[in-house]
Amino acid sequence: KAGVTQTPRYLIKTRGQQVTLSCSPISGHRSVSWYQQTPGQGLQFLFEYFSETQRNKGNFPGRFSGRQFSNSRSEMNVSTLELGDSALYLCASSLVRGDSYEQYFGPGTRLTVT
Amino acid sequence: GQQVMQIPQYQHVQEGEDFTTYCNSSTTLSNIQWYKQRPGGHPVFLIQLVKSGEVKKQKRLTFQFGEAKKNSSLHITATQTTDVGTYFCAGNNNNDMRFGAGTRLTVKP
Repeated sequence: KAGVTQTPRYLIKTRGQQVTLSCSPISGHRSVSWYQQTPGQGLQFLFEYFSETQRNKGNFPGRFSGRQFSNSRSEMNVSTLELGDSALYLCASSLVRGDSYEQYFGPGTRLTVT
Repeated sequence: GQQVMQIPQYQHVQEGEDFTTYCNSSTTLSNIQWYKQRPGGHPVFLIQLVKSGEVKKQKRLTFQFGEAKKNSSLHITATQTTDVGTYFCAGNNNNDMRFGAGTRLTVKP
């Protein structure tokens, strides 16, 4: 079955602009999480959505937002971009089956803010 | 707030040697996840530990969750060149998820 897909894969934006990133989870997965990865801060959790509801949120400013659609696809939006928002943005979908938990990451979107 | 410390930052081993990375949390965790990321790649989920004192094995990898649910370890027996990458832990406490900084493993053939 198809893995997690993220679009676009690469993006260059200018400070002050906004950006929307998209994530399509594995079929049947209803949970989608977003993460930011930078050389300085490492991996950081942004938010998690389950059945169109934000279930958890990391410690990021309100400029970072997301949503999930009825087909479990998710988008995240960053408004008023800052240079420090340059990062690899990763999406992961997950599934809980009884006591078992599995999670799969997409390839990420590399965002560069100039 | 919660902090997750991971050591060592780097580990270079000869192929066949064992490897261990450790994560310690400042607070009690509800669960902890482990991931592997190859250079240039995305993280790959390895396992989730939930129970106090839990030990799980995946082939040459052994994962432990401490009795107090504040620390965890990943041990690789007889490393192979395919084990190269950065290993991350991520601890969850009251829906607050924090990643360790990762341990970068290199293996000399």
